[in-house]
Amino acid sequence: LAKTTQPISMDSYEGQEVNITCSHNNIATNDYITWYQQFPSQGPRFIIQGYKTKVTNEVASLFIPADRKSSTLSLPRVSLSDTAVYYCLVGDHGSSNTGKLIFGQGTTLQVKP
Amino acid sequence: DAGVTQSPTHLIKTRGQQVTLRCSPISGHKSVSWYQQVLGQGPQFIFQYYEKEERGRGNFPDRFSARQFPNYSSELNVNALLLGDSALYLCASSLRFSFEAFFGQGTRLTVV
Repeated sequence: LAKTTQPISMDSYEGQEVNITCSHNNIATNDYITWYQQFPSQGPRFIIQGYKTKVTNEVASLFIPADRKSSTLSLPRVSLSDTAVYYCLVGDHGSSNTGKLIFGQGTTLQVKP
Repeated sequence: DAGVTQSPTHLIKTRGQQVTLRCSPISGHKSVSWYQQVLGQGPQFIFQYYEKEERGRGNFPDRFSARQFPNYSSELNVNALLLGDSALYLCASSLRFSFEAFFGQGTRLTVV
């Protein structure tokens, strides 16, 4: 499973767009990129997943450049309730995958009023 | 639909005791995984079960064991508890081997 590197913490203000970048230099051909959000004392929540280019859902956008060695989670117009830890995960969806999710330390996003 | 449910939500045990944590997956989900999350760190993979068989095991001692029942619910057992076992234990379910997993609220275990 590819190792990921992301900033330990970020600060933002309400209404701003937040971009969290994740580095995964040794990503494999079969690997997908997945982001989770976790609030204190709760389990992580799936946000978005992608393989290449751009993926958008009602919560966020995920930008993946052509070389796939990094990815950027974009949260539009954040609010105080977006204060959470955000995890970037990279892994294989193929038959060899056991469903094991490898979480790093994540990025703690603090949204200020 | 009910999400992943875990019980109990909190418990306190003393060193050397044994504990059993329970998890009910989302209806229709056949894969259940267990994670340990120590304060300030990301969740660490312990076990994954699919169709009642162990499909993955993390780097945890043999004091940790689990099983999955015919209704796809699961139990995590930890024997000979150590202070370092104090953590939030998370259960996640998914349709199969998927990176879109659904987590429960967790069980907060405190070992004193």
